[in-house]
Amino acid sequence: SQTIHQWPATLVQPVGSPLSLECTVEGTSNPNLYWYRQAAGRGLQLLFYSVGIGQISSEVPQNLSASRPQDRQFILSSKKLLLSDSGFYLCAWSVESNTEAFFGQGTRLTVV
Amino acid sequence: KQEVTQIPAALSVPEGENLVLNCSFTDSAIYNLQWFRQDPGKGLTSLLLIQSSQREQTSGRLNASLDKSSGRSTLYIAASQPGDSATYLCAADNQAGTALIFGKGTTLSVSS
Repeated sequence: SQTIHQWPATLVQPVGSPLSLECTVEGTSNPNLYWYRQAAGRGLQLLFYSVGIGQISSEVPQNLSASRPQDRQFILSSKKLLLSDSGFYLCAWSVESNTEAFFGQGTRLTVV
Repeated sequence: KQEVTQIPAALSVPEGENLVLNCSFTDSAIYNLQWFRQDPGKGLTSLLLIQSSQREQTSGRLNASLDKSSGRSTLYIAASQPGDSATYLCAADNQAGTALIFGKGTTLSVSS
């Protein structure tokens, strides 16, 4: 069966520090991968999606970047965190576009 | 641009009551509509996926319907239980069909 792992579960980082969140999927090949952010009082916002290794699409301009160095690995990064980067970050995968999406347990990021 | 709205934002019911959660979307040219459950501080659990060619899906006490022409979906929960307390999220495809656009959710509280 397929599983998705996200880590860390929680993270407190100072403003201006770098960020690296990792997501891996097991039990499937060439999945579509997604990063979403859920800010307090707001809905989930799509940040990045990837249909293959090295293929990254960004939905909104921001202080974050994403990379897919391996087929089932998706990394969310920042060189210098802002207070506004605080939120709940969720990784998701699907077999392909327009199919059921499955989410990880999320990372709670607090920038102080 | 796809936009998803969920009404009501919050709902409190006594145990045993049947209830309906509403979701509307602006672009009827969707591939899928998906309902999720989110417990506090946790990731999303997929409940039901309705493909554009379908009108409803059922899983246990849950029934989701889809009316593409009117841009509406409903999630019906029968015989509600305290364990059903959570936030329920509705999501529809974006215009490119590459990812999901979420509503802000309905927070359900079922009292015993």
